[in-house]
Amino acid sequence: EVQLVESGGVVVQPGGSLRLSCAASGFSFVDHNMHWVRQGPGKGLEWVSLISWNGHSTYYADSVKGRFTISRDNSKDSLYLQMNSLRTEDTALYYCTKGPPHSSGWHTFDYWGRGTLVTVSS
Amino acid sequence: EIVMTQSPATLSVSPGERATLSCRASQSVNSNLAWYQQKPGLAPRLLIYGASTRATGIPARFSGSGSGTEFTLTISGLQSEDFAVYYCQQYNNWPPLTFGGGTKVEIK
Repeated sequence: EVQLVESGGVVVQPGGSLRLSCAASGFSFVDHNMHWVRQGPGKGLEWVSLISWNGHSTYYADSVKGRFTISRDNSKDSLYLQMNSLRTEDTALYYCTKGPPHSSGWHTFDYWGRGTLVTVSS
Repeated sequence: EIVMTQSPATLSVSPGERATLSCRASQSVNSNLAWYQQKPGLAPRLLIYGASTRATGIPARFSGSGSGTEFTLTISGLQSEDFAVYYCQQYNNWPPLTFGGGTKVEIK
């Protein structure tokens, strides 16, 4: 069974930093691109970042570019999101999501974790 | 950036009836379009990819159609567990990967 378990969400002040983690199991982690997607309170879904299966390529939404860094450790089946210079508008539930096998060339979100809540507030 | 627009924002449907949800892209996304279902308090679930292919375990009452800029998600014979918010997402031109604003299907 595919499982994605996020952690690291807390209340942080504007300008602060935070590192989210996602522990993956139930599939061959190294074969899949991975993403972070967020959802603000009462709002829709916003793609945040993508990392390729081997970690060599990363992509970001303009809203987080230069502030967030996605990374992965395939030896630990883990995904990370380093969040710096946090703003109140970054307040959201952050989901770790799995893409299809990287050979497919698609970027859909096949499985989702339950999310971890990041609140940016003074 | 490709903007995805969903309509209507809210759809009131009686159980057993058909629901038709629309998604429009600001430019062609070919068939690189997915649909997701999100129930309150839960993570989204992939329903459809490639505009019309059901994901693993998705019931046949869910069907997707369209290509280019106009897409439709049809739910035939709505069941109680189908009342939720539905999002479309394009993966043709990225970054960024973009979602529509969602359609809430509520009980009439």
